[in-house]
Amino acid sequence: SQTIHQWPATLVQPVGSPLSLECTVEGTSNPNLYWYRQAAGRGLQLLFYSVGIGQISSEVPQNLSASRPQDRQFILSSKKLLLSDSGFYLCAWNLRGMPGRNEQFFGPGTRLTVL
Amino acid sequence: AQSVTQPDIHITVSEGASLELRCNYSYGATPYLFWYVQSPGQGLQLLLKYFSGDTLVQGIKGFEAEFKRSQSSFNLRKPSVHWSDAAEYFCAVGAGYGQNFVFGPGTRLSVLP
Repeated sequence: SQTIHQWPATLVQPVGSPLSLECTVEGTSNPNLYWYRQAAGRGLQLLFYSVGIGQISSEVPQNLSASRPQDRQFILSSKKLLLSDSGFYLCAWNLRGMPGRNEQFFGPGTRLTVL
Repeated sequence: AQSVTQPDIHITVSEGASLELRCNYSYGATPYLFWYVQSPGQGLQLLLKYFSGDTLVQGIKGFEAEFKRSQSSFNLRKPSVHWSDAAEYFCAVGAGYGQNFVFGPGTRLSVLP
């Protein structure tokens, strides 16, 4: 069966510090991968998605970046965090083919607090 | 591009009462529709999905949803709510092409004992 992991589970960082959040998927190959953010009391905002190694599409201009160094690894980074980067970050995957047809499976999330 | 609205930001029901959460979508072709549930501090879990065929879809945890093309709706229902159903519920629509789902803003469900 497929599983998706995210770490760390929680993170408290000062403004201006760097960020690296990691997501890995097991039990499948060539997945589409997604990063979402939920601000407090808000819905899901798609940040990045990837259809393959090294292929990243950005949905929202911001100080965050994403990378996919391996097929089942997706990393969210920032060089300098802002207060507005606080939120709950969710990684998700789904099958290739027709991504709009295939349900997305979500990781447990990372709670990021920027002070 | 597709879009999703969930008119109710917050709903409160008593335990044992019936529940209906509304979802309306906008999409020019046959949509792929999904309902997810999110408990506090957790990821999203798929409740059910609709692709085609029978417009009444059964999901996990006793939930069902009905696709009504004429109303562009995909409302989620449960005949008797349990306290453990308190959570955030998201409706989503996917297109047959393109990389993205579009999620609605969510409805927070509170359950009174």
